[in-house]
Amino acid sequence: AQKVTQAQTEISVVEKEDVTLDCVYETRDTTYYLFWYKQPPSGELVFLIRRNSFDEQNEISGRYSWNFQKSTSSFNFTITASQVVDSAVYFCALSEYTGANSKLTFGKGITLSVRP
Amino acid sequence: NAGVTQTPKFQVLKTGQSMTLQCAQDMNHEYMSWYRQDPGMGLRLIHYSVGAGITDQGEVPNGYNVSRSTTEDFPLRLLSAAPSQTSVYFCASSANRVMGGYTFGSGTRLTVV
Repeated sequence: AQKVTQAQTEISVVEKEDVTLDCVYETRDTTYYLFWYKQPPSGELVFLIRRNSFDEQNEISGRYSWNFQKSTSSFNFTITASQVVDSAVYFCALSEYTGANSKLTFGKGITLSVRP
Repeated sequence: NAGVTQTPKFQVLKTGQSMTLQCAQDMNHEYMSWYRQDPGMGLRLIHYSVGAGITDQGEVPNGYNVSRSTTEDFPLRLLSAAPSQTSVYFCASSANRVMGGYTFGSGTRLTVV
């Protein structure tokens, strides 16, 4: 069965610090997709990134970067020079390619607080 | 605007009451799902549907019913509300359930007293 573990529950940093959010996943499939979502205090879920299991290239988008390592089953998310607006709950999620039973499984989320 | 519309946004129920949470999407997505979000638990899948007339159970289906009579609508029914069902409920839809591109509704905050 697929599983996503976000061992960190709460992280607090001061503005401009770099912060890394960890995500470890378990799956039996060779084809799968990994995601990160952001949930700001307003409550909506905002899609940040999708990565498929065949693409291990790291990705950078502005202050955000993602490190995907199949060898350690990890998909970590780094925010560089954090800002107060980054304060949110961040979810890592996994979708296996198992045909009719495919579903999106979320980790428990990491609450990030960025203090001014 | 295109997207997933959930109603109501807030609801208070008494134990034993029933109600339906509405979810509608206008993107012609085949795949729709319901999640509940509880503190420290992340989002857990309640029920999902891969198309009109087809539904299946997720991780936490007890106490909930769904149906999918049209592509657009996927209502979630609470048969006899219990305090344990106090949660925030999210509906999501996707054109491809594996590759993602999930669009989430804004959520329904339900309190059962």
